[in-house]
Amino acid sequence: KAGVTQTPRYLIKTRGQQVTLSCSPISGHRSVSWYQQTPGQGLQFLFEYFSETQRNKGNFPGRFSGRQFSNSRSEMNVSTLELGDSALYLCASSSGLVSYEQYFGPGTRLTVT
Amino acid sequence: DAKTTQPPSMDCAEGRAANLPCNHSTISGNEYVYWYRQIHSQGPQYIIHGLKNNETNEMASLIITEDRKSSTLILPHATLRDTAVYYCIVRVVGSGGSNYKLTFGKGTLLTVNP
Repeated sequence: KAGVTQTPRYLIKTRGQQVTLSCSPISGHRSVSWYQQTPGQGLQFLFEYFSETQRNKGNFPGRFSGRQFSNSRSEMNVSTLELGDSALYLCASSSGLVSYEQYFGPGTRLTVT
Repeated sequence: DAKTTQPPSMDCAEGRAANLPCNHSTISGNEYVYWYRQIHSQGPQYIIHGLKNNETNEMASLIITEDRKSSTLILPHATLRDTAVYYCIVRVVGSGGSNYKLTFGKGTLLTVNP
Protein backbone atom coordinates (compact mmCIF):
# COMPACT_ATOMS: atom_id res chain seq x y z
CA LYS A 1 0.00 0.00 0.00
CA ALA A 2 1.37 3.42 -0.91
CA GLY A 3 2.03 5.80 1.96
CA VAL A 4 0.90 9.36 2.41
CA THR A 5 2.12 11.54 -0.41
CA GLN A 6 2.57 15.29 -0.33
CA THR A 7 3.22 17.63 -3.20
CA PRO A 8 5.25 19.59 -3.82
CA ARG A 9 8.13 18.51 -1.59
CA TYR A 10 9.87 21.88 -1.73
CA LEU A 11 8.52 25.33 -2.47
CA ILE A 12 9.92 28.84 -2.45
CA LYS A 13 7.50 31.75 -2.36
CA THR A 14 7.68 35.49 -1.83
CA ARG A 15 6.02 37.43 0.98
CA GLY A 16 2.46 38.35 0.12
CA GLN A 17 1.93 35.44 -2.26
CA GLN A 18 -0.40 32.53 -1.59
CA VAL A 19 0.37 28.83 -1.70
CA THR A 20 -1.57 25.57 -1.97
CA LEU A 21 -0.18 22.30 -0.67
CA SER A 22 -1.62 18.91 -1.49
CA CYS A 23 -1.88 15.67 0.47
CA SER A 24 -3.03 12.26 -0.72
CA PRO A 25 -3.80 9.93 2.19
CA ILE A 26 -3.25 6.21 2.29
CA SER A 27 -5.87 4.46 0.19
CA GLY A 28 -8.99 3.87 2.25
CA HIS A 29 -8.11 6.45 4.89
CA ARG A 30 -10.76 9.07 5.43
CA SER A 31 -9.14 11.39 7.95
CA VAL A 32 -6.42 13.91 7.14
CA SER A 33 -4.67 16.21 9.59
CA TRP A 34 -2.19 18.99 8.90
CA TYR A 35 0.70 20.13 11.08
CA GLN A 36 3.27 22.90 10.87
CA GLN A 37 6.79 22.30 12.12
CA THR A 38 9.27 25.09 12.79
CA PRO A 39 12.51 25.04 14.82
CA GLY A 40 11.09 27.50 17.32
CA GLN A 41 7.55 26.18 17.84
CA GLY A 42 8.00 22.50 17.04
CA LEU A 43 5.09 20.51 15.64
CA GLN A 44 1.79 22.35 15.84
CA PHE A 45 -1.63 21.13 14.81
CA LEU A 46 -3.35 23.10 12.05
CA PHE A 47 -6.59 21.26 11.28
CA GLU A 48 -8.21 17.90 10.76
CA TYR A 49 -10.69 16.78 8.13
CA PHE A 50 -12.92 13.75 8.04
CA SER A 51 -15.37 13.03 5.23
CA GLU A 52 -14.88 16.51 3.76
CA THR A 53 -15.72 18.22 7.06
CA GLN A 54 -13.30 20.12 9.26
CA ARG A 55 -13.42 18.45 12.68
CA ASN A 56 -10.71 20.27 14.59
CA LYS A 57 -8.79 23.48 14.13
CA GLY A 58 -5.62 24.69 15.81
CA ASN A 59 -4.67 28.23 16.82
CA PHE A 60 -3.63 29.62 13.48
CA PRO A 61 -4.84 32.79 11.76
CA GLY A 62 -7.52 32.71 9.10
CA ARG A 63 -4.85 32.94 6.40
CA PHE A 64 -4.48 29.20 6.89
CA SER A 65 -7.31 27.20 5.40
CA GLY A 66 -7.92 23.75 4.09
CA ARG A 67 -10.37 21.45 2.47
CA GLN A 68 -10.92 17.79 1.77
CA PHE A 69 -12.33 16.29 -1.37
CA SER A 70 -14.68 13.35 -1.80
CA ASN A 71 -11.72 11.07 -2.57
CA SER A 72 -10.19 12.08 0.81
CA ARG A 73 -7.38 14.06 -0.79
CA SER A 74 -6.77 17.30 1.04
CA GLU A 75 -5.31 20.69 0.28
CA MET A 76 -4.21 23.46 2.56
CA ASN A 77 -3.88 27.06 1.49
CA VAL A 78 -1.92 29.89 3.03
CA SER A 79 -2.72 33.37 1.77
CA THR A 80 -0.66 36.53 2.13
CA LEU A 81 2.48 34.64 3.06
CA GLU A 82 4.71 35.96 5.82
CA LEU A 83 8.35 35.14 6.52
CA GLY A 84 7.25 33.28 9.64
CA ASP A 85 5.25 30.84 7.53
CA SER A 86 8.50 29.20 6.44
CA ALA A 87 8.17 25.69 7.81
CA LEU A 88 7.80 22.01 7.13
CA TYR A 89 4.10 21.28 6.56
CA LEU A 90 3.14 17.73 7.41
CA CYS A 91 0.04 15.81 6.51
CA ALA A 92 -1.11 12.73 8.41
CA SER A 93 -3.82 10.26 7.51
CA SER A 94 -5.73 7.67 9.45
CA SER A 95 -8.58 5.36 8.72
CA GLY A 96 -11.02 7.55 10.58
CA LEU A 97 -13.74 6.88 13.11
CA VAL A 98 -11.98 5.57 16.22
CA SER A 99 -8.44 5.23 14.96
CA TYR A 100 -5.27 4.88 16.90
CA GLU A 101 -2.53 5.48 14.40
CA GLN A 102 -1.77 8.45 12.22
CA TYR A 103 0.62 8.00 9.33
CA PHE A 104 2.62 11.01 8.29
CA GLY A 105 3.80 12.02 4.86
CA PRO A 106 7.30 13.34 4.12
CA GLY A 107 6.16 16.96 4.30
CA THR A 108 6.39 20.03 2.12
CA ARG A 109 9.26 22.37 2.92
CA LEU A 110 8.00 25.93 2.34
CA THR A 111 10.46 28.80 2.28
CA VAL A 112 9.10 32.35 2.20
CA THR A 113 11.54 35.05 1.11
CA ASP B 1 -4.84 16.47 26.56
CA ALA B 2 -2.53 15.70 29.45
CA LYS B 3 0.96 17.14 29.30
CA THR B 4 4.07 14.97 29.08
CA THR B 5 7.61 15.48 30.33
CA GLN B 6 10.60 13.89 28.62
CA PRO B 7 14.35 14.37 29.00
CA PRO B 8 15.69 16.56 26.18
CA SER B 9 18.38 14.10 25.14
CA MET B 10 19.76 10.63 25.76
CA ASP B 11 22.63 8.56 24.43
CA CYS B 12 22.72 4.84 23.82
CA ALA B 13 25.36 2.45 22.56
CA GLU B 14 24.59 0.54 19.39
CA GLY B 15 23.22 -2.91 20.15
CA ARG B 16 22.14 -2.01 23.67
CA ALA B 17 18.59 -1.39 24.82
CA ALA B 18 17.39 2.20 24.75
CA ASN B 19 14.94 3.07 27.54
CA LEU B 20 13.13 6.37 26.99
CA PRO B 21 11.10 7.65 29.94
CA CYS B 22 7.99 9.82 29.88
CA ASN B 23 6.05 11.37 32.74
CA HIS B 24 2.34 12.02 32.31
CA SER B 25 1.16 12.51 35.87
CA THR B 26 -2.11 14.23 34.90
CA ILE B 27 -3.25 11.52 32.50
CA SER B 28 -6.93 10.73 32.71
CA GLY B 29 -8.63 7.38 32.46
CA ASN B 30 -9.57 7.61 28.80
CA GLU B 31 -6.24 8.87 27.53
CA TYR B 32 -3.85 6.62 25.66
CA VAL B 33 -0.07 6.90 25.61
CA TYR B 34 1.42 7.15 22.12
CA TRP B 35 4.99 7.18 20.94
CA TYR B 36 6.18 8.63 17.66
CA ARG B 37 9.66 9.31 16.39
CA GLN B 38 11.01 11.71 13.82
CA ILE B 39 14.22 11.16 11.97
CA HIS B 40 15.75 14.42 10.81
CA SER B 41 13.61 16.24 8.23
CA GLN B 42 11.21 13.32 7.76
CA GLY B 43 7.59 13.01 8.87
CA PRO B 44 6.95 11.51 12.31
CA GLN B 45 6.62 7.74 12.42
CA TYR B 46 4.15 5.93 14.64
CA ILE B 47 5.84 3.46 17.00
CA ILE B 48 3.40 2.11 19.54
CA HIS B 49 0.51 3.03 21.82
CA GLY B 50 -1.14 1.68 24.97
CA LEU B 51 -3.80 2.37 27.56
CA LYS B 52 -2.75 0.51 30.70
CA ASN B 53 -1.27 -2.82 29.70
CA ASN B 54 2.28 -3.23 28.49
CA GLU B 55 2.50 -3.50 24.73
CA THR B 56 5.05 -4.91 22.32
CA ASN B 57 5.35 -4.81 18.56
CA GLU B 58 8.09 -5.36 16.02
CA MET B 59 9.62 -1.96 16.73
CA ALA B 60 9.47 -1.51 20.49
CA SER B 61 7.93 -2.27 23.86
CA LEU B 62 5.87 0.11 25.94
CA ILE B 63 5.84 -0.25 29.71
CA ILE B 64 3.15 1.75 31.54
CA THR B 65 3.26 1.99 35.33
CA GLU B 66 0.31 0.71 37.28
CA ASP B 67 -0.82 4.23 38.24
CA ARG B 68 -0.35 5.26 34.56
CA LYS B 69 1.59 8.35 35.56
CA SER B 70 4.66 7.38 33.61
CA SER B 71 5.79 5.07 30.86
CA THR B 72 8.96 3.82 29.21
CA LEU B 73 9.58 3.10 25.56
CA ILE B 74 12.12 0.34 25.07
CA LEU B 75 14.05 -0.22 21.86
CA PRO B 76 15.58 -3.63 22.60
CA HIS B 77 18.62 -3.47 20.33
CA ALA B 78 19.24 0.09 19.22
CA THR B 79 20.88 0.72 15.86
CA LEU B 80 22.35 3.87 14.34
CA ARG B 81 19.13 4.22 12.34
CA ASP B 82 17.19 4.65 15.58
CA THR B 83 18.81 8.06 16.13
CA ALA B 84 15.80 10.38 16.13
CA VAL B 85 13.60 12.61 18.25
CA TYR B 86 11.11 10.49 20.19
CA TYR B 87 7.79 12.00 21.18
CA CYS B 88 5.56 10.75 23.97
CA ILE B 89 1.96 11.94 23.55
CA VAL B 90 -1.17 11.29 25.54
CA ARG B 91 -4.55 11.77 23.96
CA VAL B 92 -8.13 10.70 24.01
CA VAL B 93 -9.17 8.33 21.28
CA GLY B 94 -12.73 9.37 20.75
CA SER B 95 -15.69 8.31 18.75
CA GLY B 96 -17.84 10.24 16.35
CA GLY B 97 -15.47 10.33 13.46
CA SER B 98 -12.74 12.50 14.93
CA ASN B 99 -9.19 11.46 15.64
CA TYR B 100 -8.42 14.46 17.79
CA LYS B 101 -5.19 16.29 17.36
CA LEU B 102 -1.77 15.10 18.41
CA THR B 103 -0.07 17.59 20.72
CA PHE B 104 3.67 17.22 20.31
CA GLY B 105 6.09 18.39 22.99
CA LYS B 106 9.80 18.82 22.44
CA GLY B 107 10.54 15.10 22.69
CA THR B 108 13.79 13.32 23.48
CA LEU B 109 16.69 13.34 21.05
CA LEU B 110 18.07 9.81 21.18
CA THR B 111 21.56 9.48 19.78
CA VAL B 112 22.76 5.95 19.16
CA ASN B 113 26.55 5.80 19.16
CA PRO B 114 28.69 3.18 17.40
